Amino acid sequence: GEDVEQSLFLSVREGDSSVINCTYTDSSSTYLYWYKQEPGAGLQLLTYIFSNMDMKQDQRLTVLLNKKDKHLSLRIADTQTGDSAIYFCAESFNNNDMRFGAGTRLTVKP
Amino acid sequence: GAVVSQHPSWVICKSGTSVKIECRSLDFQATTMFWYRQFPKQSLMLMATSNEGSKATYEQGVEKDKFLINHASLTLSTLTVTSAHPEDSSFYICSARELGVWGGNEQFFGPGTRLTVL
Repeated sequence: GEDVEQSLFLSVREGDSSVINCTYTDSSSTYLYWYKQEPGAGLQLLTYIFSNMDMKQDQRLTVLLNKKDKHLSLRIADTQTGDSAIYFCAESFNNNDMRFGAGTRLTVKP
Repeated sequence: GAVVSQHPSWVICKSGTSVKIECRSLDFQATTMFWYRQFPKQSLMLMATSNEGSKATYEQGVEKDKFLINHASLTLSTLTVTSAHPEDSSFYICSARELGVWGGNEQFFGPGTRLTVL
């Protein structure tokens, strides 16, 4: 199974907030990332957080990290139809290795 | 920002033929490039890591003779799927890593190449 776990689907209404959750298992992870993948495209880095941080905000995006529970979340405020995509969380714990979750498909309904 | 391109974006080939996929870092030098494979509704599976000028390091279960990787320059890595079979059909994504100011592990991803083997 996946070491990084995410729920597969999330559906929200346009204008609402979306919260995508992720759990990881390696407490030595140093960086945690959120990537967005649109249909047929590669991954776009949305944001990342250092493991010594609890929160990071970047415009409509808020990342929360709970190291004790190994829980990472991505909140998208005022979700738009253009936010519909698959969101991957990922962890890295050395210079090369990066481990991804299976991705959460976000559907935004008008 | 850092841009990674892949060529071709999609390819259809006959079983038994070989296909080469290129990955280029357009505005930065990539000391390390990564090749991933993505199955539908699944995460990315790291296939191999390549450092410029040296042999690629393959993940367990990935056949190095089937998936040939060449990283001849700091801006180009190629993946050649040799003697492709229908089970090799997949979405192949490359990424490139540049050591940033913060010395992080950020990887910049290409748009992917969809390979269909008939």
